[in-house]
Amino acid sequence: SQQGEEDPQALSIQEGENATMNCSYKTSINNLQWYRQNSGRGLVHLILIRSNEREKHSGRLRVTLDTSKKSSSLLITASRAADTASYFCSSGTYKYIFGTGTRLKVLA
Amino acid sequence: DGGITQSPKYLFRKEGQNVTLSCEQNLNHDAMYWYRQDPGQGLRLIYYSQIVNDFQKGDIAEGYSVSREKKESFPLTVTSAQKNPTAFYLCASSMKGDMGAYEQFFGPGTRLTVL
Repeated sequence: SQQGEEDPQALSIQEGENATMNCSYKTSINNLQWYRQNSGRGLVHLILIRSNEREKHSGRLRVTLDTSKKSSSLLITASRAADTASYFCSSGTYKYIFGTGTRLKVLA
Repeated sequence: DGGITQSPKYLFRKEGQNVTLSCEQNLNHDAMYWYRQDPGQGLRLIYYSQIVNDFQKGDIAEGYSVSREKKESFPLTVTSAQKNPTAFYLCASSMKGDMGAYEQFFGPGTRLTVL
């Protein structure tokens, strides 16, 4: 069964705006990962945050993790049209469990 | 170029046929995985392998079979027993260790359509 649940399911913003998407999970994890998927393509790994970390940055990406609330957020700052994609979180201990994704559309 | 490849990109199958999807990696990863993705859905794990000549069922293994004779290769066969095989199939690999501990590298996917 799916553990991760991304929110919102779809998001549409203007270029230059920030995009925030959230992921909730049900069981304990040793890390949580975010991936991007362009339409009809494979997934690309964005960032991994470990259960003992609260925040992590990579370029325009910022990920937070709140293990007490079993949730994570992905912030993309100064979004670009090229950021248009689906974003998935993957969580779990001893297995990879993917959510249903957030479809982000960045309008030029 | 290091990476993971899948072939073919598109595959059409008649009902009752078995088809095999190819997955090859040159990342020297021990672990390999097969996922199925349906429209608007997340990824569901079909099979995974942590080492050559060994593999385990994932959450939706019924109607599928795999082999792992070489470290670089992890082909997936969709058998006629799979009742609803039309989907996008993704292969991935990662370093060996506790599952979930390492990032996964994904291939470009194979879109299978049953005619």
